[in-house]
This record gives sequence, structure tokens and C-alpha cells, in this order.
Amino acid sequence: GAVVSQHPSRVICKSGTSVKIECRSLDFQATTMFWYRQFPKKSLMLMATSNEGSKATYEQGVEKDKFLINHASLTLSTLTVTSAHPEDSSFYICSASGRGVTAQHFGDGTRLSIL
Amino acid sequence: AQTVTQSQPEMSVQEAETVTLSCTYDTSESDYYLFWYKQPPSRQMILVIRQEAYKQQNATENRFSVNFQKAAKSFSLKISDSQLGDAAMYFCAYRSTSGGSYIPTFGRGTSLIVHP
Repeated sequence: GAVVSQHPSRVICKSGTSVKIECRSLDFQATTMFWYRQFPKKSLMLMATSNEGSKATYEQGVEKDKFLINHASLTLSTLTVTSAHPEDSSFYICSASGRGVTAQHFGDGTRLSIL
Repeated sequence: AQTVTQSQPEMSVQEAETVTLSCTYDTSESDYYLFWYKQPPSRQMILVIRQEAYKQQNATENRFSVNFQKAAKSFSLKISDSQLGDAAMYFCAYRSTSGGSYIPTFGRGTSLIVHP
């Protein structure tokens, strides 16, 4: 149980493109979803926390207008990287937790490459 | 604020041997959760084991066990009979159970190398 699906797994696109990443909880209600960014051989850097039906809470230094997060339902959250540039290239991972789910369960991550 | 410290950037172990990864944390809370996650080269984060702070008994999952020392704020992971597939980054994480702050705190990770 507690499966989280994230897609796409890999995106390569041109600079200036907006990219949407989806994160779905398949068998539980994800009341809270987390979006992380991870640089090579580094730990997870929390970008934002989103609770279903409310605005996301962004960590300091993360641009809200750059990284748009929507958590419209208990099973789906999306991260949109707007007007992506090469410096946005990274590995993005979502995770979810919910009622009766104490641990976070992670998606497989999305490798974003901006040319 | 809670902090999680993994003091070993890298550890090595021979296949079939036992290795222990250390983790310490700092908190003023009495009830919380602790986790170990594994991140293999495929980059997927996999939950290895969890521990509720109010439980004195150390959690075990097959070849994985923890040594939870609440007073010392220590939460080490022991991997017995190491296998090549255990090679990965291991992250220790802390999560509060109160105050509405369910944001987990991760350590910096320990890279485990398994030698055949």
C-alpha cells in the first residue's frame, strides 16, 4: 500500500518552456504533499508543502511564481516550473502522507533537463 | 527546530557482513517518528524502517534493524548480511507528531558501498 506515482520521469525541453510534473497517491488520501529538489549526491531540499485545498507553503528562497504548486484533490498535486531555464535543471521528487500514513511515500522523481 | 545529523558521508562493507549507519538528532519533543530511507542509483526513495519514539522496542525489518537510544537521541541503522543491492544513499529522517508541523527533516545522507 501507500503508492505514489510521479510523472513524467524525464523531461528534456528548451529554455523558456513551462513544465508540469504530476504527483498522485494511488491508494490513500494524501492530505499533505511535499515537493523536493535534489542535486547530485546531495540530500533532499524541501521546496514547498501543500495541503489539499489550500495554498502551498514555500520554503525560504523558493520563488512562488517560478514553481507553481496545485493540490486540488486528495490524490493529486502538480508542480509547474514556469519559463524554465538551465539553472532549473535538477531532480524533482514529490512525496505524500495522509490520514493513517505516518511515513512519507515518495514518487520515483522527475529528472528535468533544460537546454 | 529539529536537526538530523549523519556524520558518515560514506561507509563501506563487504558482502555478507554487517554495517551500522549512524544518525543523531536534536529535538525538545517527546513524541515523534524516525525513519530510514534508501535511495539507490535509480533515485527512488524507499522507506526502509520507521520507529515511533514512544516505543521502547527497536524496530526491525528483515535484515534491517535500528538501535534507538531516546535519551542519547541516537537512531542507528544496522544492516545484516549485506547484499550488493543494499548499495545506496541512506537518509535518516525525523518527523514531529504534534503542533501541526508534519514537515520531515532529513539528514545529509550516507553513501553505502558494498564490496563483493
